[in-house]
Amino acid sequence: DVQLVESGGGLVKPGGSLRLSCAASGFTFSHYNMNWVRQAPGKGLEWVASISGSSNYITYADSVKGRFAVSRDNAQDSLFLQLNSLSADDTAIYYCVRDKFVGGSSPFEYWGQGTLVTVSS
Amino acid sequence: IQMTQSPSTLSASVGDRVTITCRASQNINIWLAWYQQKLGKTPQLLIYKASTLESGVPLRFNGSGSGTEFALTISGLQPEDFGTYFCQQYNSLWTFGQGTKVELK
Repeated sequence: DVQLVESGGGLVKPGGSLRLSCAASGFTFSHYNMNWVRQAPGKGLEWVASISGSSNYITYADSVKGRFAVSRDNAQDSLFLQLNSLSADDTAIYYCVRDKFVGGSSPFEYWGQGTLVTVSS
Repeated sequence: IQMTQSPSTLSASVGDRVTITCRASQNINIWLAWYQQKLGKTPQLLIYKASTLESGVPLRFNGSGSGTEFALTISGLQPEDFGTYFCQQYNSLWTFGQGTKVELK
């Protein structure tokens, strides 16, 4: 079974940094584009970042560009998100999400349970 | 690309036929998905390519549309269908609609 397990969330002060991790299992990790999606408390879904299987194509939402950095380690079946210059607007549950299809346009099929990031002084 | 869903909230009864609409700010062909999220749970993919039902999703769910106008129809609402529904375009990066909460009337 596909499993995605996030870690690294917590309480951080405005302007601070945090590194999220996602451990993947149950599929050939290097074949799939991986994503981070966030959801502020009681709000909707916001795509944050995406990284291709070989890490040669990386994209970000405008709201996080220049502050967040996505990376992956295919040898360890792991996905990461470095969050810098955090503000209260970044408070959310961050989900690690796998594309449904290999290559091309794809919706999202598998979601981790999420890790909560709270930005507050 | 902006995605606009309507209504934001929909009050319905078990057995009702309900329709949620989603409008894209530009042509996304058929690259649209629908997700269901229940309280405290992660989103579940229901439909992709505008009208293709995900495996295991009941036939009472139907997706339609292309270009900029899309709809999700649930024929014969069941108790387990109450929750929040999101549309998502994946034609150019990924954008979600703001969500439609389906609640018990």
